[in-house]
Amino acid sequence: TQLLEQSPQFLSIQEGENLTVYCNSSSVFSSLQWYRQEPGEGPVLLVTVVTGGEVKKLKRLTFQFGDARKDSSLHITAAQPGDTGLYLCAGTDNYGQNFVFGPGTRLSVLP
Amino acid sequence: GAGVSQSPRYKVAKRGQDVALRCDPISGHVSLFWYQQALGQGPEFLTYFQNEAQLDKSGLPSDRFFAERPEGSVSTLKIQRTQQEDSAVYLCASSLRGTSGNPNEQFFGPGTRLTVL
Repeated sequence: TQLLEQSPQFLSIQEGENLTVYCNSSSVFSSLQWYRQEPGEGPVLLVTVVTGGEVKKLKRLTFQFGDARKDSSLHITAAQPGDTGLYLCAGTDNYGQNFVFGPGTRLSVLP
Repeated sequence: GAGVSQSPRYKVAKRGQDVALRCDPISGHVSLFWYQQALGQGPEFLTYFQNEAQLDKSGLPSDRFFAERPEGSVSTLKIQRTQQEDSAVYLCASSLRGTSGNPNEQFFGPGTRLTVL
């Protein structure tokens, strides 16, 4: 069974600060996806990374896939209260069949 | 709207009661997934359909859980003889294509929050 770990579990920061959250596994994934989930809603896809070493930017969010495709990071610059939510990483195995979520990082950005 | 819808949004059941949770995927989406999300946790895979075929049910926690998608669109997750440990949010997601090949985006519904007393 492929497992994903995320750290930190909880993060509370002030508006304007930068932060990085991590997604790690001992297994290789063919792709990783990052989602954000707000209370009472389903997760919403932010990005998919496929190639080892790949970096993708989405406004103030920067996503990186590790060279060995076992880990990923999400960096947020100048966090805003609207960034508050549960950030989930999810991985697909090499067959594209199994889709596994990490436990999430719960981010709170205080104004 | 054109998104994934789920009903009911909230369900309270007495222990031992049967429940049925409905998912309406985005029209034309081939794949449909069910997940269970416990409080403070990430979603855990339950089962997957490609059209009407249930290709993977390895995540269903017991034989009290049953899912169907008879016409390849709407899906129902049924839980028989509910137990307190079944209390969770049940999420449904659909995606345009099958899971082989490149990953494709899963669109999630808002979930059904099940509370078993």
